[in-house]
Order: sequence, then structure tokens, then C-alpha cells
Amino acid sequence: QVQLVQSGAEVKKPGSSVRVSCKTSRDNFNKFAVNWVRQAPRHGLEWMGGFMPSYKTANYAPKFHGRATFTADESTATVYMELDSLGSEDTALYYCATSRSFGVTFDHWGQGTLVTVSS
Amino acid sequence: EIVLTQSPGTLSLSLGERATLSCRASQSLDGNYLAWYQFKPGQAPRLLISGASIRATGIPDRFSGGGSGTDFTLTISRLQPEDFAVYFCQQYLSSVLTFGGGTKVEIK
Repeated sequence: QVQLVQSGAEVKKPGSSVRVSCKTSRDNFNKFAVNWVRQAPRHGLEWMGGFMPSYKTANYAPKFHGRATFTADESTATVYMELDSLGSEDTALYYCATSRSFGVTFDHWGQGTLVTVSS
Repeated sequence: EIVLTQSPGTLSLSLGERATLSCRASQSLDGNYLAWYQFKPGQAPRLLISGASIRATGIPDRFSGGGSGTDFTLTISRLQPEDFAVYFCQQYLSSVLTFGGGTKVEIK
């Protein structure tokens, strides 16, 4: 069973950045792509993009290109999502989710990380 | 971008009843590139169905998916207490993956 453990809730000021982590096991780390999906009150579910650790390749949704950055640390089997220039509309529950490759279904999900942007 | 419209927004049903959820795509999904997910508060979401009708590993057979082209359904044949949740459809025909707005299945 693939387990994904996400970092804890964050409160950020407008204009700042946030980094959310998603940890899996060393056995699974290079087997899947790790995607980021957020759930915001006014925008529903939005796919932000994905990262393929085995190829160190990212695929960003157009809306988040240039503002989101996906990275990974193989030594800890952790994938990171950093989102810059935060605004109130970025207040959301952020999920990581695995997929077999880019552009398919999300097979296993993390528990979600609440990011609140507030002055 | 492919827009998915789910209906109804909320479905109020009793235990043991049948739930039928709808997902309509703004364009044909050709090879039925549609998935369904279950979301519950405080839990990791769960993949139920892919390819419009293929149950994911471990999903009970009371969940079934159907449809093709632009119109898809998720049916829960006999609602169990653990089935009351929010359900989302997702298309993966386009490189920009999109979700529907969700249907909440609540206890009547």
C-alpha cells in the first residue's frame, strides 16, 4: 500500500511563499509521479501539476506555471511543492497524490495540508 | 480546458437506497478517460473508478461506473453508512486535468 504523509498546516502572509512536503517510502519514491491538487472554497478541485522523481521532471498546469515549483529529495523520499506570491485565493487544502505517469488518474492520496493566507 | 458538470449538487438518501450521480463533459472524452473519487473530511481521498467503469483495487462492487462520450454516471447500489461523502469526477483526456464540482451524498 502506498502511503503519503504530508506536512502540517501553515498560516502565511499575502505575498509570501509556502512549501508543503509529501513523504513516501524509499521503495515507492521512483515508481510514480507525485501530483499536487488543491481544494479551495471558490475554485473546487484544481490540479496544479506533477513531478516525476525518477526523471526529475515537472509538469505544471498553465495556471500555476511560474508560481509553483516542485522538487524532491531522494534521500528522504520526499516531494515538495512551493507556491510563491500567495494571495487570499490560495487559501486551500493542498493534497499530494500519486499517478503512474503524467496525465492519468490519482491512485493514492495524502491527507491534505491546510494553507491559510491571511494578513 | 474540458469542463465537467456534476449533478445534483446534493443527494439526500437513506441507508440501503440507490444513488445515481451524473458527470457531464464539455466535449467527448473519447476513450472514456474519466475517473471518480470519494472525499471524506479528515481522510485521504480515494480513487473509486477509472476508465469510466473500472473499479480500483479494493473498491466494493456496490460502486459502478458507466457512460461514454460526454455523459457518465456513478452508481452506488445500496448505500452504506461509510458511503456518505462527496464524490468528484475527473477527466484525463486533456493534458490539463480537470475535476467536476462534486456531488455530496448525505443521509436523509
